[in-house]
Amino acid sequence: KAGVTQTPRYLIKTRGQQVTLSCSPISGHRSVSWYQQTPGQGLQFLFEYFSETQRNKGNFPGRFSGRQFSNSRSEMNVSTLELGDSALYLCASSLAVAGETQYFGPGTRLLVL
Amino acid sequence: GESVGLHLPTLSVQEGDNSIINCAYSNSASDYFIWYKQESGKGPQFIIDIRSNMDKRQGQRVTVLLNKTVKHLSLQIAATQPGDSAVYFCAERTGSARQLTFGSGTQLTVLP
Repeated sequence: KAGVTQTPRYLIKTRGQQVTLSCSPISGHRSVSWYQQTPGQGLQFLFEYFSETQRNKGNFPGRFSGRQFSNSRSEMNVSTLELGDSALYLCASSLAVAGETQYFGPGTRLLVL
Repeated sequence: GESVGLHLPTLSVQEGDNSIINCAYSNSASDYFIWYKQESGKGPQFIIDIRSNMDKRQGQRVTVLLNKTVKHLSLQIAATQPGDSAVYFCAERTGSARQLTFGSGTQLTVLP
């Protein structure tokens, strides 16, 4: 069974731009969670989607948003990029609920210049 | 303000020795715990999990111990190999949101 895939793997943007990242969960998994990982803050929870609905949200500004499609694939969007948004963005999928075992993708490395 | 990088605890072990990685969790109501391994340039990889109604769980070369009295979790790796070099994270599940909260991680280095 294929693992979690994320595209693109690397991205360079400039301040003020917006970016969309994509995540395809493991087949059959319905919950997708997004995390931001930085050297300064570690792994921080962004949000979780289940059956196309956002179920949980972390403490991030409204510039960070996401959505989930009927096939469980998910996208996250960051608008008006700031230098501090440079990070590894990780997607994780789980069978039903985010609190169960999550399987991570390789991440998208975003660099904001 | 200036962003300061997390100072990851580090653990260096000789190849073939056993490793013990520790984690203190924050919430006595946490009912589920997971250990992840993250190699450089990769996403975290699931290693082993344990529920709060258990004290010990074993996998292949790994054992997780849970001490709820002192809110402490440990990961034991037997016969540590060079491929075990990575950052290890513990995560706990708690709260009505049932989401996972991750620790800051421990850098394990296996010496030849």
